[in-house]
Amino acid sequence: DAEITQSPRHKITETGRQVTLACHQTWNHNNMFWYRQDLGHGLRLIHYSYGVQDTNKGEVSDGYSVSRSNTEDLPLTLESAASSQTSVYFCASSASGTPGAGNTIYFGEGSWLTVV
Amino acid sequence: QKEVEQNSGPLSVPEGAIASLNCTYSDRGSQSFFWYRQYSGKSPELIMSIYSNGDKEDGRFTAQLNKASQYVSLLIRDSQPSDSATYLCAVPRLGGYNKLIFGAGTRLAVHP
Repeated sequence: DAEITQSPRHKITETGRQVTLACHQTWNHNNMFWYRQDLGHGLRLIHYSYGVQDTNKGEVSDGYSVSRSNTEDLPLTLESAASSQTSVYFCASSASGTPGAGNTIYFGEGSWLTVV
Repeated sequence: QKEVEQNSGPLSVPEGAIASLNCTYSDRGSQSFFWYRQYSGKSPELIMSIYSNGDKEDGRFTAQLNKASQYVSLLIRDSQPSDSATYLCAVPRLGGYNKLIFGAGTRLAVHP
C-alpha cells in the first residue's frame, strides 16, 4: 500500500545543532507539506512544495528549510535548533488538483522533536 | 482574529448523545471545508469535507455549512467512546487550495 513515512519518530537534540527530519511518500503526490503542532495552536504550516524543485514558505518558516529533489521526498532541516522548535512535526502529501475525495491530504505519523 | 477558530473544549458528552462541534472562519471567500479527527499521539485523518451550504451526511457524521455566517459544524450522532479525540476544522487559504489552515481543535470526550 502507498504510504507516507517520517523519520526519526522521536529525537532529542541540543540547542544550536542542525537537525533533519525525513519525509517519504509512495503515492507519487506532487504536493507535500510540513506542519508543526503545538498545544493551543493546532497545525501550522512551515513549508510546502507543489513539485520537484518547488518550495514555498508557510506561516512559521523562520529557522526551517526544505528541498525537493524528487517527487517522493521533502526533508525538513532545522538549521540551528532552538528550544522554541520543540514540537510535533507532521509531513503531509496530496495529489494535484482541486480539493475533493480524490485529493485528500494524507499525514505521516509525526516526528516528536525535543530541543534541550 | 484567527483565520479558523474552534472552542478548545473539552466537550464532554455521554455515550449515545449527539456531539456538536463548531468552527468559524474569517475568509468570506472560502469555498471548501474539512473536518479531521486526531487521536492522542496520532496523525490527523480526514473524516468529512463540505463545499455547499446545508448538510452533508456520512454515517453518524453530519457536516453543516453556513457561508453567510462563516460557520461550519460537525455533528456526531450516537456518540461512542471511540469518538473521543480532537477534531480539527480546516479551510484552504485562498490562492492555495491545498494549503490548509487548521483551527486549534476541539477535544471531545465521550463517557460511558
